[in-house]
Amino acid sequence: AQSVTQLGSHVSVSEGALVLLRCNYSSSVPPYLFWYVQYPNQGLQLLLKYTSAATLVKGINGFEAEFKKSETSFHLTKPSAHMSDAAEYFCAVTFSSNTGKLIFGQGTTLQVKP
Amino acid sequence: EPEVTQTPSHQVTQMGQEVILRCVPISNHLYFYWYRQILGQKVEFLVSFYNNEISEKSEIFDDQFSVERPDGSNFTLKIRSTKLEDSAMYFCASGSTGMAGNTIYFGEGSWLTVV
Repeated sequence: AQSVTQLGSHVSVSEGALVLLRCNYSSSVPPYLFWYVQYPNQGLQLLLKYTSAATLVKGINGFEAEFKKSETSFHLTKPSAHMSDAAEYFCAVTFSSNTGKLIFGQGTTLQVKP
Repeated sequence: EPEVTQTPSHQVTQMGQEVILRCVPISNHLYFYWYRQILGQKVEFLVSFYNNEISEKSEIFDDQFSVERPDGSNFTLKIRSTKLEDSAMYFCASGSTGMAGNTIYFGEGSWLTVV
């Protein structure tokens, strides 16, 4: 069965440090992968997505993610964390289908310390 | 920028009551979704809707739940005879197509508390 696993429910970094949020997927068919961010008291906002074009995907707010098929991973990175990046981040996957249903990981809460 | 809007933002209801959560998807979108997020848990797919019918539903979406597109703009989720475990954030979402890889846009959610 297809699934998504996010390693680490909480990640804490200092302002200016590298952000690395991990996501691994399980799938027998080519996946389409997404990262969404949820700021406090807000909805889910798309950060970036992988749809089988370039394996390195750049998103909003300086985030990027690299699709690695050999590692079944789609980790999210940002070179330098900002206080405003504190939020919950969700990795999600969808597969060839006619509904576009997303399967979400458990989410990772990112804390940014001054 | 077009957005998905949801009402109410927060609703408290007594156990056993019926609740209707409302959503206005992005105007030119054709695929509509409801997801829920129980506090501290992952976001879970409930149902997808296209061409005035359910295209896919999860095992969570049993007879207690129903969806409707009563007019050209609204998309509703009805929960009958609410239970304590229905307390969650309910997200409406929409997409222009149902193709895998198409961006799905989410509303800000309706927080349902069943007491």
